[in-house]
Amino acid sequence: EIVLTQSPGTLSLSPGERATLSCRASQSVSSNYLAWYQQKPGQAPRLLIYSASSRATGIPDRFSGSGSGTDFTLTITSLEPEDFAVYYCQQYGSSPLTFGGGTKVEIK
Amino acid sequence: EVQLLESGGGLVQPGGSLRLSCAASGFTFTGYAMTWVRQAPGKGLEWVSSISSSGGSTYYADSVKGRFTISRDNSKNTLYLQMNSLRAEDTAIYYCAKTPEWPSELNWFDPWGQGTLVTVSS
Repeated sequence: EIVLTQSPGTLSLSPGERATLSCRASQSVSSNYLAWYQQKPGQAPRLLIYSASSRATGIPDRFSGSGSGTDFTLTITSLEPEDFAVYYCQQYGSSPLTFGGGTKVEIK
Repeated sequence: EVQLLESGGGLVQPGGSLRLSCAASGFTFTGYAMTWVRQAPGKGLEWVSSISSSGGSTYYADSVKGRFTISRDNSKNTLYLQMNSLRAEDTAIYYCAKTPEWPSELNWFDPWGQGTLVTVSS
């Protein structure tokens, strides 16, 4: 099973600042099959990025994904008020599918 | 607009059973795999099970294998999760999600339903 470790656990930033979220895999993720989701309180998760760097439909271009192998990054270039949420990475390169523990982006 | 509406959650005693449903609309149901993901209260996300578009292939997390059964009725555009021998640790919000089938039925999820809460307690 691939274990995904997200860091930091919490990121305290101000609107307009850049957010850099890390997702590290315990072994290489096949074909860089890694996705990122955003979840706000009381809501279902929303897909942001798939295949490590492809933005999902309707996702603003301030969200970008990068990385390969075991190290992946989600970057939000300039935080908007609606971006404060919890972010999860997920690998689908091998079964069982696994999620990281999440990074909470909170307002400083 | 794609819509996924889960139902069937509730309070059940340990050892009991429950069947969740997910009614899909706004897309060609037979063209996509489907998935159940759960989230325990205040915790992270856990993949539970996926099923191919035809229903011919199913996949399960070890934590539910042998106790849960995923199925679908393509004539009704509905996904199901039959949960037996429920345990306290199965308490969670259960989400259904649309899943592309290329390159595999094990894939990313988009979109997700709003979820249904299952509480296992005496």
